[in-house]
Amino acid sequence: DIQMTQSPSTLSASVGDRVTITCRASQSISSWLAWYQQKPGKAPKLLIYKASSLESGVPLRFSGSGSGTEFTLTISSLQPDDFATYYCQHYNSYLWTFGQGTKVEIK
Amino acid sequence: EVQLVESGGGLVQPGGSLRLSCAASGFTFSSYDMHWVRQATGKNLEWVSVIGTAGDTYYSGSVKGRFTISRENAKNSLYLQMNSLRAGDTAVYYCARWHGSGAYAFDIWGQGTMVTVSS
Repeated sequence: DIQMTQSPSTLSASVGDRVTITCRASQSISSWLAWYQQKPGKAPKLLIYKASSLESGVPLRFSGSGSGTEFTLTISSLQPDDFATYYCQHYNSYLWTFGQGTKVEIK
Repeated sequence: EVQLVESGGGLVQPGGSLRLSCAASGFTFSSYDMHWVRQATGKNLEWVSVIGTAGDTYYSGSVKGRFTISRENAKNSLYLQMNSLRAGDTAVYYCARWHGSGAYAFDIWGQGTMVTVSS
């Protein structure tokens, strides 16, 4: 099974900061990676699919990149609404796998 | 509005059963693979099960043989029958739509329903 490892687990940042979260796959997954944002008590929300495609309605400050085994989610200028937990996710051969999450906290 | 609404969660004793439902609206339900994903309090998201448009089903190893996913397209509804429940099944259960056409992502999620397995 492919394992997805996110880093860091927690990130402290200030409004306006550029933030980067990394997701590493245990083997090459091409570009089949998605990113989600989850706020406390809420369902996850899709941000990025196919590693770099922005979901409709998601602010342009969010971007994704990478292929193979290493992927990044970048928030170009952190806004108050962005403090949340972010998850990467991959699908392969009838197994859907999530990273363990990265919590973005207020510094 | 595209929407998924779960129901059926609650408190159940170990070894008991529960049936979750997910009502879909605002899209052609029969055209999408549908999933259940769960999340224990403070823990990671965990994929549980999927049912395809043709009725094919797959399960995670942790629930295989105990949970059964089904769908009723005429009612735009997804179900999860959970038997032999364990404390480890305690979680918020989300239904989610799989956007498989090139996106390979869960693009619509319900608000979740809480399942607590405890004596």
